[in-house]
Amino acid sequence: AQSVTQLGSHVSVSEGALVLLRCNYSSSVPPYLFWYVQYPNQGLQLLLKYTSAATLVKGINGFEAEFKKSETSFHLTKPSAHMSDAAEYFCAVSVADSWGKLQFGAGTQVVVTP
Amino acid sequence: DTEVTQTPKHLVMGMTNKKSLKCEQHMGHRAMYWYKQKAKKPPELMFVYSYEKLSINESVPSRFSPECPNSSLLNLHLHALQPEDSALYLCASTPGQGDSNSPLHFGNGTRLTVT
Repeated sequence: AQSVTQLGSHVSVSEGALVLLRCNYSSSVPPYLFWYVQYPNQGLQLLLKYTSAATLVKGINGFEAEFKKSETSFHLTKPSAHMSDAAEYFCAVSVADSWGKLQFGAGTQVVVTP
Repeated sequence: DTEVTQTPKHLVMGMTNKKSLKCEQHMGHRAMYWYKQKAKKPPELMFVYSYEKLSINESVPSRFSPECPNSSLLNLHLHALQPEDSALYLCASTPGQGDSNSPLHFGNGTRLTVT
């Protein structure tokens, strides 16, 4: 079975600083990996996804993530944090034939300080 | 704006009430999902419908009853709920259930409070 671990349940960054959210996955077969963002009182919105094409994936709102098979990681970064980036971020994994069963990480709450 | 619409946005119900949550999408997706999300937790899968047929039930109590009247609509009927069922209920869709590399498209959820 596949799973993801998000390191750090809470991250505080200064406006303009680098945002780095860590995600490690476990899967015995090639994974599909996703990052979602959830703003208060909203559903989850896809930031980006890795589906075995390019290992460096660019997403919306200036975010990107790099798939590193040797490290089983899919960390999310943004060079310069904006106040609007304050939200909950979820890493998720699925594999072929998993029939819609997406495994979510526990989530990381991002706080952006002026 | 989300392409998956959920109503109502908020619902307060007593433990003896019967209510329904509704979800609608017009993207032509053939798989639809119900998730339950408690505060500060990731979403938990409840049900999956594929081509209007229930394909996954994650051992959800029978007080939750899903229904998929057509390919665009998904309902969740609620009856005799418990206070611990209070949560955000999220609907989502994908083009097809077997498309493991397709992202879920989420609605904004219904915030349910059981008193």
